[in-house]
Amino acid sequence: KNEVEQSPQNLTAQEGEFITINCSYSVGISALHWLQQHPGGGIVSLFMLSSGKKKHGRLIATINIQEKHSSLHITASHPRDSAVYICADPPCHQGAQKLVFGQGTRLTINP
Amino acid sequence: EAGVAQSPRYKIIEKRQSVAFWCNPISGHATLYWYQQILGQGPKLLIQFQNNGVVDDSQLPKDRFSAERLKGVDSTLKIQPAKLEDSAVYLCASTRRGLPPDTQYFGPGTRLTVL
Repeated sequence: KNEVEQSPQNLTAQEGEFITINCSYSVGISALHWLQQHPGGGIVSLFMLSSGKKKHGRLIATINIQEKHSSLHITASHPRDSAVYICADPPCHQGAQKLVFGQGTRLTINP
Repeated sequence: EAGVAQSPRYKIIEKRQSVAFWCNPISGHATLYWYQQILGQGPKLLIQFQNNGVVDDSQLPKDRFSAERLKGVDSTLKIQPAKLEDSAVYLCASTRRGLPPDTQYFGPGTRLTVL
C-alpha cells in the first residue's frame, strides 16, 4: 500500500522566513505533485517533478528518488503564502494517474 | 483556458436527505476525478472517469454514492441518503489524458455540511 507522509503538519513562521515542507512516500513514482490549497477549498497544482529540482518564483521543489523524499521550499515567505500544501504521488505500478495524497501541511505566515 | 467548474459551492442538508453536485471539466479533458476531502485530511479519490467510462470506483461507497458522466463531458455526483460523516469538501479534477505527466486541474470544490 502506498503511503504519503508529510511533515510538519502545521507550521507557523514570520514573514520573510525560509520555509521547508517535507514529503516521504513508500512506493516508486512517475511524478510527484505539490499542490496548494487556500481556505475555501480550491486546489492549485504547483509542481510536478520526477527528478532533480524545479523552481517557480519563490517556490522550489526538490526530489530524491532513491530516498523517496521530496521537499517544497518557500523563500522570503509572505502572508499570502498561508495555505495548506499537499504532496501527492501516483504509484508507478498503477499506471493511470490515481493520486495518493498526503495529509497536508498547514502553513501560516504572520506579518 | 477556463478552469474546472463546480456547483454549488456550498450545501447544507439534513441527514437522510439527498444531494447532487455538478462538475464541468476543462474542455477536451478526457479524465475526470471526484475526491472527498474531510476536514484536516488530504483528498481521497472517490471515482475516476475516462471519457464516459469508470476507471476506478473502488473507494466509492456505492450503497449511497453514485456518479455519472453520460456524455463524457460534465459529471454529477449524488449522495442518497446523506450521513453526518459525509460532511466534507467534494473536489472535482480533470486531466487531458489521465496519464503521467498530466497535471490535474482542480475545481473550487463543494463544501457539504450534513446536520
